[in-house]
Amino acid sequence: ETTLAQSPAFMSATPGDTVTISCKASQDIDDDLNWYQQKPGEAAIPIIQEASTLVPGISPRFSGSGYGTDFTLTIYDLESDDAAYYFCLQHDNLPWTFGQGTKVEIK
Amino acid sequence: EVQVVESGGGLVQPGGSLRLSCSASGFMFRKYWMSWVRQAPGKGPEWLGNIKRDGSTTFYVDSVKGRFTISRDNAKNSLYLQMYDLRSEDTAVYYCARIRGDTGDYGFDYWGLGTQVTVAS
Repeated sequence: ETTLAQSPAFMSATPGDTVTISCKASQDIDDDLNWYQQKPGEAAIPIIQEASTLVPGISPRFSGSGYGTDFTLTIYDLESDDAAYYFCLQHDNLPWTFGQGTKVEIK
Repeated sequence: EVQVVESGGGLVQPGGSLRLSCSASGFMFRKYWMSWVRQAPGKGPEWLGNIKRDGSTTFYVDSVKGRFTISRDNAKNSLYLQMYDLRSEDTAVYYCARIRGDTGDYGFDYWGLGTQVTVAS
C-alpha cells in the first residue's frame, strides 16, 4: 500500500501570499497523483490531475509539480476564496490512498 | 450538469447493516467506473472501492473486504454500498464519486456531498 504523507495539516496565510502543500509517497507512483479542494458544505473538486495538469476551469493561480514520490501543490496570490481543505490522492496502485489533508485558513 | 447524490445514511448499532445509495445524473452513468470514499472525523479520506462500468468487477480496500459490497444498477443510474457488521470505526461521511475516463484509472472527477453514517449503541 502506498502511504501519502501530506504536510502541513494546517496553515494560516495572508491574501497575496504564495503557499505550498507537500505530498510525499512511500513508493514511486509516477505522476498518478491528483489534488482536490473541498469547502464546507460543498462537494470536493479536482484542481490538479496527473501531478501537474490544471483541471479546466480552475484558476491558474493553482499549480502542481512533482513526479515519483515528491509532489507539491502551490497556490499563488492567495485569495479569501481559497480557504478550504486540500488533499492529494494517488491512483497509481490499489488501494488508492489519500493524504491526510491540509486546512488552509486565510487571515 | 453532472451530479451524484448520496442517501441512506443514519444511526446504526454495532453489528448492524446499512445500504447507501448514490443517484447519478447529467452523464451517461453506464460509461463510467464509480467509487465509494469515506472520511472519518479528523481523518483524511479513505478509498473504499471501485466498480467497473458494467458492474462485473469490483475492488475493495482490505478494511472493508467481506463486509461491504459495491453494486450498481445502470438502468436506474444508481450506485450502492451495502454494509454489514458495522463497527464504530465505520463512522464517517460516505461519498460517492465518479472516476474520470473509461478505464477506471484516473482518479475522481466528481464527488457528492456525502451521507453521514454513525455506528453507535
